[in-house]
Amino acid sequence: DTEVTQTPKHLVMGMTNKKSLKCEQHMGHRAMYWYKQKAKKPPELMFVYSYEKLSINESVPSRFSPECPNSSLLNLHLHALQPEDSALYLCASSPTQGLGGYTFGSGTRLTVV
Amino acid sequence: AQTVTQSQPEMSVQEAETVTLSCTYDTSESDYYLFWYKQPPSRQMILVIRQEAYKQQNATENRFSVNFQKAAKSFSLKISDSQLGDAAMYFCAYNAGGTSYGKLTFGQGTILTVHP
Repeated sequence: DTEVTQTPKHLVMGMTNKKSLKCEQHMGHRAMYWYKQKAKKPPELMFVYSYEKLSINESVPSRFSPECPNSSLLNLHLHALQPEDSALYLCASSPTQGLGGYTFGSGTRLTVV
Repeated sequence: AQTVTQSQPEMSVQEAETVTLSCTYDTSESDYYLFWYKQPPSRQMILVIRQEAYKQQNATENRFSVNFQKAAKSFSLKISDSQLGDAAMYFCAYNAGGTSYGKLTFGQGTILTVHP
């Protein structure tokens, strides 16, 4: 299995809702990443997990809460989002946190209404 | 801070022709990777080609090749025999150790259109 699987593919949520995005990989990678991408813009790093521990938080608002329950799974919990949080959320993994070897998922398209 | 610059917001090419996408970067690191990613409308970020900075030989993957000029900090992508399926947004990206350990820094992207 050489894929990163993200669910759901599309999500519409209200500003008072709580929802979660899920990312899964079975390549034995020990680093996992969340990126946010606006239309026609490059992805922006949000969080990095290395060996299930949070390694990098790029000053992301607390309404985004990441979780890494095990080495194969990465979640992003969403609460009280704003319309400007609408974007494509990409998950990626790599063998370790460091140089090269990233595999991306196909993303979750999030719309906040 | 490391930066990646793609100076061509849009490019177009005729099917079967060759096109070159430009990328420059700025870094003080000596050990780093450079990448070209393709993102079609399907949204999947697909790795096209990867270059390790310590390797002098330019990377090649089938119809895709790079011109890596380390001293000039330039990393261009050449697509030969362009196909309709090559149409996508292309991102140049950089990854290094040091303080940016594990972070991919992307350029602004180039939208490639392929005309039949």
